[in-house]
Amino acid sequence: AQSVAQPEDQVNVAEGNPLTVKCTYSVSGNPYLFWYVQYPNRGLQFLLKYITGDNLVKGSYGFEAEFNKSQTSFHLKKPSALVSDSALYFCAVRVPILTGGGNKLTFGTGTQLKVEL
Amino acid sequence: DTAVSQTPKYLVTQMGNDKSIKCEQNLGHDTMYWYKQDSKKFLKIMFSYNNKELIINETVPNRFSPKSPDKAHLNLHINSLELGDSAVYFCASSPGQGSIAQPYEQYFGPGTRLTVT
Repeated sequence: AQSVAQPEDQVNVAEGNPLTVKCTYSVSGNPYLFWYVQYPNRGLQFLLKYITGDNLVKGSYGFEAEFNKSQTSFHLKKPSALVSDSALYFCAVRVPILTGGGNKLTFGTGTQLKVEL
Repeated sequence: DTAVSQTPKYLVTQMGNDKSIKCEQNLGHDTMYWYKQDSKKFLKIMFSYNNKELIINETVPNRFSPKSPDKAHLNLHINSLELGDSAVYFCASSPGQGSIAQPYEQYFGPGTRLTVT
């Protein structure tokens, strides 16, 4: 069965420093991977996705993610963190459609990012 | 204009009651979803409809019954509410189910916080 793991419940970083939020996956076949962000009392917002091709995917708000097949990872990164980036970040994997999953996403447990001055 | 909207935003009710949550999307999408986010922020899919047809039905108690009157609306009715049903329920939509090569990102509503007392 497909799954994603986010090993850190919380990541703290100083504003202006680079940030990394980790995600590893387990899936049969080619993985389709996503990052979403959830601000307090809001729904999830799509940041970026990996389908195929370039391992470095650029997304919204200056975020990017690096797909690493050998390490089965899809870490979210940003060169310079902002206080406004503080939120809950979810990694997700799309179930292979051949198994009848439609567009079903399996989410990780979330990582709370806290950016401080 | 709100892309995916849900009503109500907050719902407080007693055990044993029946309640409904409504969802509407104005994105012209074919596929809609219901997710449950528990108190630990874990997010799990419950149902998905594509063009009013149920395509994903996770292991959810049959007290939960989704209904899609048209492809822009997906409602969730819950019978005999239990304490464990307390959670935030998110509706989402995507252009379609996607294909083997094209997974679609999902657009989330703001959530409905259900509290069962």
